[in-house]
Amino acid sequence: GQQVQQSPTSLVLQEGENAELQCNFSTSLNSMQWFYQRPGGSLISVFYNPSGTKQSGRLTSTTVIKERRSSLHISSSQITDSGTYLCAMEGGMLSGSFNKLTFGAGTRLAVCP
Amino acid sequence: EAAVTQSPRSKVAVTGGKVTLSCHQTNNHDYMYWYRQDTGHGLRLIHYSYVADSTEKGDIPDGYKASRPSQENFSLILELASLSQTAVYFCASSDLGDQDTQYFGPGTRLLVL
Repeated sequence: GQQVQQSPTSLVLQEGENAELQCNFSTSLNSMQWFYQRPGGSLISVFYNPSGTKQSGRLTSTTVIKERRSSLHISSSQITDSGTYLCAMEGGMLSGSFNKLTFGAGTRLAVCP
Repeated sequence: EAAVTQSPRSKVAVTGGKVTLSCHQTNNHDYMYWYRQDTGHGLRLIHYSYVADSTEKGDIPDGYKASRPSQENFSLILELASLSQTAVYFCASSDLGDQDTQYFGPGTRLLVL
């Protein structure tokens, strides 16, 4: 079945530092999404990025299908960026996973003052 | 704005008892999903539905049933709750489209004793 591996598992930053979160997937991809989750909170979509690079403020997502990877870059981190970042892939139509998401285990980010 | 609500928000159940988790969406979405999240892990798909009165098995359906009586409502049923079903349960909805992400509810924290 599909597998999604995220790295690092956890990360501690000083406020203002940059972070690069990685997501690797094992099968064909229809879309890649990144979600943000506060401790005990729900998931909020950060990026819907099936391929290429997308930017929103201090966040940039890059998905390279041929290399089966996606990354989330956070620049000039802030304390409010703390939480868990989850990537999720949707398989292609022939994979049997169309419109279904397979999640990675997440990267727990802590930004300290 | 997209809205997915869940009830109850938390529940304590006894082993062997019946538990019903409810989800309601006002997004007019066709797809609805139930996931579970265990501490320190990503989300895993239990059941999903793409039309009223029909449900499909996800990746971990054993021990769970689902019901979709209308487009807006989707329930998850644990007929005989077990200790291993202690987790946080998330409901989500989405539409079928190239750029459609999933919108998540706030989650239900279930503790089975």
